[in-house]
Parts: sequence; C-alpha cells; structure tokens
Amino acid sequence: EVQLVESGGGLVQPGGSLRLSCTTSGFIFSDYWMSWVRQDPGMGLKWVANINQVGGEMYYVDSVEGRFTISRDNAKDSLFLQMSSLRAEDTGVYYCARGPVGATAPWGQGTRVIVS
Amino acid sequence: DVVLTQSPLSLPVTLGQPASISCRSSQSLVHSDGNTYLSWFHQRPGQSPRRLIFKVSNRDSGVPDRFSGSGSGTDFTLRISRVEAEDVGIYFCSQGTHWPPGTFGQGTKVEV
Repeated sequence: EVQLVESGGGLVQPGGSLRLSCTTSGFIFSDYWMSWVRQDPGMGLKWVANINQVGGEMYYVDSVEGRFTISRDNAKDSLFLQMSSLRAEDTGVYYCARGPVGATAPWGQGTRVIVS
Repeated sequence: DVVLTQSPLSLPVTLGQPASISCRSSQSLVHSDGNTYLSWFHQRPGQSPRRLIFKVSNRDSGVPDRFSGSGSGTDFTLRISRVEAEDVGIYFCSQGTHWPPGTFGQGTKVEV
C-alpha cells in the first residue's frame, strides 16, 4: 500500500522557519516526481513546489520562491520542504503528494502550519 | 497562470440522483504532447484530497464507475450518475498542462 506521512508542522512566528518532512513507503520513491500542496484555512488548494526524480529540477509557486526549498533523499524515501521567512499567508495544511503537478496521487494526510 | 473556474461552488444533491460539476479553464489544456492534463479530486470532511479522474476521463483505481469525466480544450465536466451519501465533500479540478504553477479550481461543495 502506498503511504505518505507528513510531519514537522506547528505554530511559528512570522519570519520564522520550519522544515516539513514526508516519509513514504509502498512504491519506488526514486521513480516519481514529488509535490507539496497547501490547503489554506478557506479550503482552497495551492500547489507549492515539486521536484524531479533525482532532485535536479525544482519548481515553486512565485509566492514562495526564494523562501522555500524542496528537496528529497532517495536513500530514505523522503521528501522535505524547508520553509523560511514565513508569513501569515503561508498558514495552512501542507500535503505531500506523489507525482508532478496536475498528476498527483495519492496525497498524505497533511501537516498543519500556523504562522502567527 | 491558468485560471480554473468551477461551477457551481455549492451543489445540493439528492441521493440516487445525478449531479455534475463544471470546470472551465482560461486557456486550452491540450499539451504539446497531445494529452490534456485535467484531473478531478474529492475531499471528504476531515480527509485529504483523493484523485478520482486523470487526463480528463480516466478513473483512478478503486473509483466507482458512477463517476465520469468528460470535456476538451477549456471546458470539462465531472458527473456522478447516482449520488451516494459517501460522495459528499468538496470536489476540485486541477491542471498540469501549463506549469509552473499548477493550478486548482476553487472547489465545489457537495451536500445532500
């Protein structure tokens, strides 16, 4: 069974940092693009970033460019999102998802980030 | 950026009756490779989104056949042939043709 489990969320002050992790199992992690998607408190979804299979290509939504860094460790089947200079508008539930943007499935259960 | 506009945003349904949701794109979602990367997701209360449909009309594994997707270019539709109680929640369309960034529709809340 494919599983994705996020961790690392929490309450952080504006300007602070957090590192999200996503531990995966049940599939060959190194075969897939991986993505982070945020769901804001109003329930809207926003794609945040994705990374290719070997970590050589990373893409970000404009609003997080320069502040967030997506990375992966294929030896540990894990995905990461380093978030810095956090803003109130970064608040939401962050989901790790298998696949590139537009083709993500499945998603993890999410980890909540509150910037306040 | 591609804007996806869903309608309606709220959809009251009757169990056993059909329902449909529209997703319109601000530009054609036909990729240069010939595919159209339009997906539909369903989010039950308290759960993470689950993909139902990919590339317009392909059902994901385990998705009941009462769900179907159709459309082309800029206009797409998700249909439920006979609504069941477990179908309540929020439905999102998503495109992966023109990225970054990937984009989602605003979501349609389905309630019995």
